[in-house]
Amino acid sequence: QVQLVESGGGVVQPGRSLRLSCAASGFTFSSYAMHWVRQAPGKGLEWVAIISYDGSNQFYADSVRGRFTISRDNSKNTLYFQMNSLRADDTAIYYCARDRSGWPFDYMDVWGKGTTVTVSS
Amino acid sequence: QSVLTQPPSASGTPGQRVTISCSGSSSNIGSNYVCWYQQLPGTAPKLLIYRNNQRPSGVPDRFSGSKSGTSASLAISGLRSEDEADYYCAAWDDSLSGFVFGTGTKVTVL
Repeated sequence: QVQLVESGGGVVQPGRSLRLSCAASGFTFSSYAMHWVRQAPGKGLEWVAIISYDGSNQFYADSVRGRFTISRDNSKNTLYFQMNSLRADDTAIYYCARDRSGWPFDYMDVWGKGTTVTVSS
Repeated sequence: QSVLTQPPSASGTPGQRVTISCSGSSSNIGSNYVCWYQQLPGTAPKLLIYRNNQRPSGVPDRFSGSKSGTSASLAISGLRSEDEADYYCAAWDDSLSGFVFGTGTKVTVL
């Protein structure tokens, strides 16, 4: 079955870095664009980044542009999210989600269960 | 911050119809498809409606979506206790070159 499993979350000090991973299975990963979406404690959903099926196009929310980088390894069916210069307001559950299309983008149709990132000293 | 505005809450008794609005602008809802997500407590979001009014397989036809101009709506008819959840609209925004989510609406079944 189609499945996305996030990992790499944890507690990190402000200013440090963390890399999240999302392992995909049950579908042809290289055919689909992929998203990262986050949800701060008690708050709503915030879209943060997307990467096209082949990795050639990436787009970011203003809140993370220049600090976070989305990437993918289609040979390993894995999506990544490199998060640098972390701040307290980056504390959230981070979900990876599949886009229904490879390019242009369409909508998020499959979601992982999420991984929790806590930025605290 | 969210650029799509939803009412913070909505409620109804079992069997009633509840409607949730989602207000945007010409750069998002006005020029792109809208989708809706349901998030049950403590779980990941689930796709409910895509391309304004299409239901994925497995989603009951009690859920329906519509769009007009720069606004969209989600209707839940025959409300059931298991519909208690947070609901979010979303759309691509041409000006931001990214997706935007609505502020979210908590549905309570009285």
